Amino acid sequence: GNSVTQMEGPVTLSEEAFLTINCTYTATGYPSLFWYVQYPGEGLQLLLKATKADDKGSNKGFEATYRKETTSFHLEKGSVQVSDSAVYFCALPLNSGGYQKVTFGIGTKLQVIP
Amino acid sequence: NAGVTQTPKFQVLKTGQSMTLQCAQDMNHNSMYWYRQDPGMGLRLIYYSASEGTTDKGEVPNGYNVSRLNKREFSLRLESAAPSQTSVYFCASSEASTGTRYNEQFFGPGTRLTVL
Repeated sequence: GNSVTQMEGPVTLSEEAFLTINCTYTATGYPSLFWYVQYPGEGLQLLLKATKADDKGSNKGFEATYRKETTSFHLEKGSVQVSDSAVYFCALPLNSGGYQKVTFGIGTKLQVIP
Repeated sequence: NAGVTQTPKFQVLKTGQSMTLQCAQDMNHNSMYWYRQDPGMGLRLIYYSASEGTTDKGEVPNGYNVSRLNKREFSLRLESAAPSQTSVYFCASSEASTGTRYNEQFFGPGTRLTVL
């Protein structure tokens, strides 16, 4: 079945540091891939997505490239800010019988210190 | 627009008590979901409703029931709460997804439930 593996963290970085959060997946076919973000005390919200191999999703300075050859979708940001402190989830959606079954990674907590 | 709303935000129950978590969305979405979030385990699907009038079990349905009251509302009921149900519960909604079209899920702010 489908699975998503990501580092648990926590990851602690200083402001303006470079961020990478690794995500690898196992799936049949050609899935789409999502990154969701959960800010403290809130629900998850979609950060970015990619729908096919070599696609790059981007939003709010974050980027992730869908690499089919390495089955990866790593999240990167060149210069993090304190406001980026949150939990980040890699996710793999699958349409199944009229609903969207999403396999979520365990989430990686990022703390950015001034 | 309010998006997805959930009540209550916090709840403490004793073992064996019952309660209902309420969820409503104002985006006219067909599909709605209930998840639980536990440390080190990500989000796990409890129940979902692909459309008004239908509900189905997800990964971890034991100890829960749901009602899709209408297109807007999807409630989760714990009939006899157990400490293992201590968790954060999220409701989500999305447009119907078909084929290779994957639609974003919109999440509520969550309910933090503690069962003593």
